[in-house]
Amino acid sequence: QKEVEQDPGPLSVPEGAIVSLNCTYSNSAFQYFMWYRQYSRKGPELLMYTYSSGNKEDGRFTAQVDKSSKYISLFIRDSQPSDSATYLCAMSRMDSNYQLIWGAGTKLIIKP
Amino acid sequence: NAGVTQTPKFRVLKTGQSMTLLCAQDMNHEYMYWYRQDPGMGLRLIHYSVGEGTTAKGEVPDGYNVSRLKKQNFLLGLESAAPSQTSVYFCASSYRGTAGFTEAFFGQGTRLTVV
Repeated sequence: QKEVEQDPGPLSVPEGAIVSLNCTYSNSAFQYFMWYRQYSRKGPELLMYTYSSGNKEDGRFTAQVDKSSKYISLFIRDSQPSDSATYLCAMSRMDSNYQLIWGAGTKLIIKP
Repeated sequence: NAGVTQTPKFRVLKTGQSMTLLCAQDMNHEYMYWYRQDPGMGLRLIHYSVGEGTTAKGEVPDGYNVSRLKKQNFLLGLESAAPSQTSVYFCASSYRGTAGFTEAFFGQGTRLTVV
């Protein structure tokens, strides 16, 4: 079983919809939770990160962590065609030389 | 700002051939990583380095070697390429973060096909 599970999709939604992307994990030692966005034929870029539990908001994006359920989410409000990309979750813990453990990535398609 | 630069961007190899992928970063980062990305598999760590002259194995190191002779460069070598090594390879670098968090900066990727 992988340490981090993420549905690869693709997930296709109409423009303006609220998008929910999710990851589950098995290692309770993870402390930092990140979302990277990867456009086609590009390298991933950090979108948001959170520490431990709670929510973090940045514009149309909200990252949520539920450590009791070992579940993280990324919500995108008022989705735009420019949000079409692959979204990868990643996690790290303090004793791991900052190595990131990655989900498989979810391909998101926003239809105009 | 150049950031992380990978060379080459594309390459086709025949089975058994060797090649070296070059990664260069200009952000003075201590950590550097080589990943491969395959459909449905996410990013898998091949090798990484926490400083000049040091390297360590990641999740899928077999068939690859690395060297970090200079802080800004991280080389990935394939000694005898196999079709299973067909993939997109990403180099990344990060600073020595505090308390467990560090942001990874990625290159644009190298698309390698082994026939």
